[in-house]
Amino acid sequence: GAVVSQHPSRVICKSGTSVKIECRSLDFQATTMFWYRQFPKQSLMLMATSNEGSKATYEQGVEKDKFLINHASLTLSTLTVTSAHPEDSSFYICSASRGRVGNQPQHFGDGTRLSIL
Amino acid sequence: AQTVTQSQPEMSVQEAETVTLSCTYDTSESDYYLFWYKQPPSRQMILVIRQEAYKQQNATENRFSVNFQKAAKSFSLKISDSQLGDAAMYFCAYRGLSNYQLIWGAGTKLIIKP
Repeated sequence: GAVVSQHPSRVICKSGTSVKIECRSLDFQATTMFWYRQFPKQSLMLMATSNEGSKATYEQGVEKDKFLINHASLTLSTLTVTSAHPEDSSFYICSASRGRVGNQPQHFGDGTRLSIL
Repeated sequence: AQTVTQSQPEMSVQEAETVTLSCTYDTSESDYYLFWYKQPPSRQMILVIRQEAYKQQNATENRFSVNFQKAAKSFSLKISDSQLGDAAMYFCAYRGLSNYQLIWGAGTKLIIKP
């Protein structure tokens, strides 16, 4: 159990394009979903936390208008990188948790490698 | 603020031998959770093991076990009978009782020598 599906796994597009990444919890209801960015050989950097039915909470330094997050249901959250530029190229990972607190671990998607030409 | 430190950027071990990855953390909370995640070259983040701070007994999952020293704020991962498939980045993570965010260490790259 606790499977998280992230799609697409890889995106290559031109500068100025907007890209949408989906994160789905397949066999559980995800109260909270997290979006991370990971640079090569580095740890995960939390971008934002989204709770179903409410606005996402963004970490300091993350542009809200650049990285749009929607968590419309208990099984789906989306991250849209608007007007993407080469500096947005990175590995993006989502995770989902059954609850907000407690020992419920985060379950991760397989990640999306975004390359902006 | 909580912090997690992994002081070993890279470790190598001979196949079938045992290796220990270090992790220390800093917190003022008394109850919290600690996790070890594995990230192989495929980049998927996989939960290896977790420990509740209120439990004195060290968590164990097959060949993986932890040495949790609460007073020392240390949470090391021991991998016994290392296998080639264990090669990956290993991340230690902390989660407080009231905050659902994970605080991540910098990671340790584990190399398995055949």
